[in-house]
Amino acid sequence: DRVLTQSPATLSVSPGERVTLSCRASQSIGRHLAWYQQKPGQSPRLLIYGASTRATGIPTRFSGGGSGTEFTLTVTSLQSEDLALYYCQQYDHWPLTFGGGTKVEIK
Amino acid sequence: EVQLVESGGGLVQPGRSLRLSCAASGFTFDDYAMHWVRQAPGKGLECVSGISLNGGTTAYADSVKGRFTISRDNAKNSLYLQMNSLREEDTALYYCVKGNDISIWSVFDYWGQGALVTVSS
Repeated sequence: DRVLTQSPATLSVSPGERVTLSCRASQSIGRHLAWYQQKPGQSPRLLIYGASTRATGIPTRFSGGGSGTEFTLTVTSLQSEDLALYYCQQYDHWPLTFGGGTKVEIK
Repeated sequence: EVQLVESGGGLVQPGRSLRLSCAASGFTFDDYAMHWVRQAPGKGLECVSGISLNGGTTAYADSVKGRFTISRDNAKNSLYLQMNSLREEDTALYYCVKGNDISIWSVFDYWGQGALVTVSS
C-alpha cells in the first residue's frame, strides 16, 4: 500500500498567517495526489487534485505543490473559516489511501 | 446540484449483515466511478470500495475484502454496499462518494452526508 504521512499533526496559527502542510508518500505517486478539507460535523470537501489543480469554487488562497513523494498544501492568509482537518489522498494505486490528517487550529 | 443521499445505516450485532444504499442525482450517474469511504468515530478516512462506471471493475480495502460487496444500478442512479460478517471495527460513518473519472483510480469530488453503521452486541 502507498502510505501517506502528514505533518504536522496539529498546527496553531493566527488569522492572516501563511500555512504550509506536508504530505509524504511511501512510494512515488507521480502527481496523483488530492487534498481535502473537513470542517467539524461536515463531510470532506475536495480542495486540490493533480497535486496542484484547485477544485471548482476553491479560493485562490489554497495552493498545492509537489510530485513523486513530497507534497505541500499552502494556505496564504489563513481565514477563521479555514479551521478544519486537512487530509491528503493518493489515487495512483489501489487501495486509495489517505494521510492521517493535519488539524489546523486558530490561535 | 449534485446530491448523494445514503440510507440503510443502523445498529447491528457482530456477524450480521447490512446493506447501504446511495441515491444520486444532479449528474449523469453512469459517466462516473463511485466509491464508499468510511470514517470511524474520531478517526481518519478509509476508502472501503470503488466501482467503475459500468460496474466492470471493483476494488476493496483489505480490511473488508471477502465480506463487503459494492454494486450499482445505473438505471436507478443508485450505489450499494452489501456488508456481511460485520465486526465491531466496521463501526463508522459511511460516505457515498462520486469519483471525478470513469475509473476507480479517481479523486472524490462530491460526498454525501454519510450513513452511520454501529456494530455492537
